[in-house]
Amino acid sequence: EAQVTQNPRYLITVTGKKLTVTCSQNMNHEYMSWYRQDPGLGLRQIYYSMNVEVTDKGDVPEGYKVSRKEKRNFPLILESPSPNQTSLYFCASSLSTGHTEAFFGQGTRLTVV
Amino acid sequence: GQQVMQIPQYQHVQEGEDFTTYCNSSTTLSNIQWYKQRPGGHPVFLIQLVKSGEVKKQKRLTFQFGEAKKNSSLHITATQTTDVGTYFCAGPGYGGSQGNLIFGKGTKLSVKP
Repeated sequence: EAQVTQNPRYLITVTGKKLTVTCSQNMNHEYMSWYRQDPGLGLRQIYYSMNVEVTDKGDVPEGYKVSRKEKRNFPLILESPSPNQTSLYFCASSLSTGHTEAFFGQGTRLTVV
Repeated sequence: GQQVMQIPQYQHVQEGEDFTTYCNSSTTLSNIQWYKQRPGGHPVFLIQLVKSGEVKKQKRLTFQFGEAKKNSSLHITATQTTDVGTYFCAGPGYGGSQGNLIFGKGTKLSVKP
C-alpha cells in the first residue's frame, strides 16, 4: 500500500529539548516536503527536498532543520523547540514538484510547553 | 510573492444544499489541485486540472479551471454529512517559490443534518 508514515503522531515536549519527527515514504518519490498547519493560516511549507542530499527552504523554515540522506526518509528536526512551534505537522511526497498528486502522512501534533 | 487565495473561509450549509469554494491565484498556473481534509485527518488528493477551461466531475463534485488558468472552483451538489471537512486548492510555485506547492488557506465546510 502506498503510504507516507510519520512518527510520532502526538508529542508534548518542553522548550529547548531537541526533537525529531520522522517521515518515510514507500513510493520511491523524489520530492518530499514538510508543512505546518495552524488555524486560519492553512498549510505552510517549511522545507522541501527534490532528491537525496537536495533540500531547500519553504515559506517558514526558521527554527527547523531537515536532512535527506536516503530517498525514502525525510526527518524534520527541531534543535531548540519553542512554544510558537506548537502546531500540526504534515510530511508529503510526490513524483514531481507541484505537478503530480501529493501524498500526505497522518500528521504529527506537537505541543511545546 | 505568489499567492493562492481561497474563499470563503467557512461555509455552513443545510444537508441537501449546494456548496461552492473559489480559488484565485496571483499568477497563471500550469495546473491546479484540490484536496480534502476530514476533521482530524490529513489532506487527501481529489483531482488535478491542467487545461484552460477544463471541467471535471466526480459524482456530486464539479471542478472547474478558469480560461486564464488563474482561478478555479469546486462545487458540491446536494451536500451530505460525509462532505464535511476542509477543501484546499493548490498550485505549483514558480520563480522564488519553485519547488513549492502553494496551498490556499482552505474552506471549512460544515453540514447540518
